[in-house]
Amino acid sequence: EAGVAQSPRYKIIEKRQSVAFWCNPISGHATLYWYQQILGQGPKLLIQFQNNGVVDDSQLPKDRFSAERLKGVDSTLKIQPAKLEDSAVYLCASSFYGSSYEQYFGPGTRLTVT
Amino acid sequence: AQRVTQPEKLLSVFKGAPVELKCNYSYSGSPELFWYVQYSRQRLQLLLRHISRESIKGFTADLNKGETSFHLKKPFAQEEDSAMYYCALTYAGGTSYGKLTFGQGTILTVHP
Repeated sequence: EAGVAQSPRYKIIEKRQSVAFWCNPISGHATLYWYQQILGQGPKLLIQFQNNGVVDDSQLPKDRFSAERLKGVDSTLKIQPAKLEDSAVYLCASSFYGSSYEQYFGPGTRLTVT
Repeated sequence: AQRVTQPEKLLSVFKGAPVELKCNYSYSGSPELFWYVQYSRQRLQLLLRHISRESIKGFTADLNKGETSFHLKKPFAQEEDSAMYYCALTYAGGTSYGKLTFGQGTILTVHP
């Protein structure tokens, strides 16, 4: 089966600019996650979707980060405006409903904010 | 709040030697523990989970609730085991089931 797709793979922007990441989960996976992984740390969950509804966004910096999954399939994560500390790898993952611990990860988008 | 600690950022062993990657957690309820692995230039992927009590690629991990640990072990390390290993925790029930809390990761290097 095709894996989780993410684009772009790399992005370099200046602080205060905006950026958007796209994720296409594995077909049939109802649950979608966005993680932020800062260099030297483990992934940190930003937001979890169940179909097109938000299940958990407690760690999403809502003043600058937003995410949507309008049709319950693809998802976009946006940062506006970006800060230097947003430099990280952004990982998208998906899983079947009811099997949320077996998450399948995409390749990630490496964001550098200068 | 749940927390996962991997005390070693780097671990080096020689091929054929035993290896143990340490993981400690804090959570007041009934956690579910996992090990994820990321090989060079590959995606993060599930290695094993404590509820299945299985051995994957020769690795095993036992959940010790008394010591709140979930150490990953392999009796004879192979060069292809070199990778980044993450311990992760979630908890059953609630609306955030499936939300994984990851440790900081341990880079395992197996020398020939």
